[in-house]
Amino acid sequence: ETGVTQTPRHLVMGMTNKKSLKCEQHLGHNAMYWYKQSAKKPLELMFVYNFKEQTENNSVPSRFSPECPNSSHLFLHLHTLQPEDSALYLCASSQKFRDSPVETQYFGPGTRLLVL
Amino acid sequence: GQNIDQPTEMTATEGAIVQINCTYQTSGFNGLFWYQQHAGEAPTFLSYNVLDGLEEKGRFSSFLSRSKGYSYLLLKELQMKDSASYLCAVMDSNYQLIWGAGTKLIIKP
Repeated sequence: ETGVTQTPRHLVMGMTNKKSLKCEQHLGHNAMYWYKQSAKKPLELMFVYNFKEQTENNSVPSRFSPECPNSSHLFLHLHTLQPEDSALYLCASSQKFRDSPVETQYFGPGTRLLVL
Repeated sequence: GQNIDQPTEMTATEGAIVQINCTYQTSGFNGLFWYQQHAGEAPTFLSYNVLDGLEEKGRFSSFLSRSKGYSYLLLKELQMKDSASYLCAVMDSNYQLIWGAGTKLIIKP
């Protein structure tokens, strides 16, 4: 089983649809992240969960709703999206240690989202 | 504001050497990461530098100069499979990762 998996890999949805992206990590990590990657732009951090608690929400519109039921699973619920939300959505995980705040993030392959 | 600059695209020849530069202006510094991302795949960790100098890992090396706000990734003996995007990211004083837009490296035979 690869470290971080994401489903679906590709998603096309209309602006009135509701869909969910799923991420699962098999690394035993305690932190998980959602990023948005648009062409020729830096990765944009959307949400961070530490020990299942949301610790970051970088001014993300409410049409994106994260859920972290346990330390291995992370969801991103989508509703009434806009065409500009079309992008690659990457999930990552890391192991945070209390005595060492620097950690390496491991990424999933992403979900390529197209909003029509 | 915080900023990471790296070239958008580079082209190199199989078997050659290429250097991908990254300059940064951030509020604080807690290390610099390089990731490789093949098209349609996950970014994968390549290196982490927090002290000045060169770190070598096989065909890949990463250099850091904190005083200059500068890093480079050096790829030797280029192979076709090295065609990918290379992402530079700096961890700032709040331990947040600030990302560059990535450098797309094209390897030609």
